[in-house]
Amino acid sequence: AQSVTQLDSQVPVFEEAPVELRCNYSSSVSVYLFWYVQYPNQGLQLLLKYLSGSTLVESINGFEAEFNKSQTSFHLRKPSVHISDTAEYFCAVIGGGSNYKLTFGKGTLLTVNP
Amino acid sequence: NAGVTQTPKFRVLKTGQSMTLLCAQDMNHEYMYWYRQDPGMGLRLIHYSVGEGTTAKGEVPDGYNVSRLKKQNFLLGLESAAPSQTSVYFCASRDRGPYEQYFGPGTRLTVT
Repeated sequence: AQSVTQLDSQVPVFEEAPVELRCNYSSSVSVYLFWYVQYPNQGLQLLLKYLSGSTLVESINGFEAEFNKSQTSFHLRKPSVHISDTAEYFCAVIGGGSNYKLTFGKGTLLTVNP
Repeated sequence: NAGVTQTPKFRVLKTGQSMTLLCAQDMNHEYMYWYRQDPGMGLRLIHYSVGEGTTAKGEVPDGYNVSRLKKQNFLLGLESAAPSQTSVYFCASRDRGPYEQYFGPGTRLTVT
């Protein structure tokens, strides 16, 4: 069975500071990895995904994540955050024999303070 | 193109009452899912469907039933609501590939 661990439940940072949200997964076979973002009182939106190819993937609003197979990690980074990045971020994985079900981490609440 | 819609947005039930949550998608997706979200627990899969007329249990199916009579709709039923079912419920859908799930806006359910 797959599992996803988000190592920090809350990450407070100041505006314009860099941030890294950590995600580790456990699976012995090929996986596809996702980061979703949930703004307050909204549903989840896809932020970025790794399916194959380049291990570094980017979003349109400046986030990036790197797939590291040897460390089974998919950490999310942004070099300079904005107040509007305040949200909950979920790492998710699909694969490992089941292409139907997405397994989510428990989420990291990113709070950007002025 | 509305994407994934959920009805209702909010509901308050008394213990023992029943209700049905409706999820509709207009993207002709094959797969549909119901999740519940609770503080500190992330999203947990209740039931899912890989096509019209099919359903399967997820991680936390007890107390819920589902039906997928039409490809575009996925219904989640609570036959006898319990306070433990107080949660935010999200529906999602996706096509056969490339695996991205599209989420609805959620239904906030309170059982008193």
